[in-house]
Amino acid sequence: TQLLEQSPQFLSIQEGENLTVYCNSSSVFSSLQWYRQEPGEGPVLLVTVVTGGEVKKLKRLTFQFGDARKDSSLHITAAQPGDTGLYLCAGAVTGFQKLVFGTGTRLLVSP
Amino acid sequence: GAVVSQHPSWVICKSGTSVKIECRSLDFQATTMFWYRQFPKQSLMLMATSNEGSKATYEQGVEKDKFLINHASLTLSTLTVTSAHPEDSSFYICSARGTYYSNQPQHFGDGTRLSIL
Repeated sequence: TQLLEQSPQFLSIQEGENLTVYCNSSSVFSSLQWYRQEPGEGPVLLVTVVTGGEVKKLKRLTFQFGDARKDSSLHITAAQPGDTGLYLCAGAVTGFQKLVFGTGTRLLVSP
Repeated sequence: GAVVSQHPSWVICKSGTSVKIECRSLDFQATTMFWYRQFPKQSLMLMATSNEGSKATYEQGVEKDKFLINHASLTLSTLTVTSAHPEDSSFYICSARGTYYSNQPQHFGDGTRLSIL
């Protein structure tokens, strides 16, 4: 059974601070997706990383896939209140249709 | 592109009622659809995977007779909660994907909040 543990579970910061969310597993994934979910809505895809060691940037968000494709991180620079939400990582496993979703990180950015 | 519409967004009903939730892909053909349940402040819990024209594959611990899933077309899947009870109250979310391959992203509906009185 593949598991994806995210840390921290909850993060409350002030606007302008930097933060990193971690997504760790003992399993290897063929790719890893990051989603953000706002209250009362469905998750929205932020990025997909496929290659071990890959780094992708989306404005102030930087995503990295571990060299062994077992872990990933999301770094947000100069967080803004609009970044508030639930961040979910999700791993794809070759041969399986479903994604393995992480435990989630709730981020609250206060003005 | 890749819009998924879920309906209704909120439903309140009495215990013992059956409730149907629809999930539609509006601008693409959804080869595969997924149904999730989400408890407050928690991650998504996969209930079942359905491929168009096939029976759904349920996750361990999910009652097939309780949560009926139909995926009869490439743009529509339905989840019926039969004889719903208060413990079935939750946020249900569907997602759809245009391929069988898990590397491709899932596109999510906005969820249905189900409250059973």
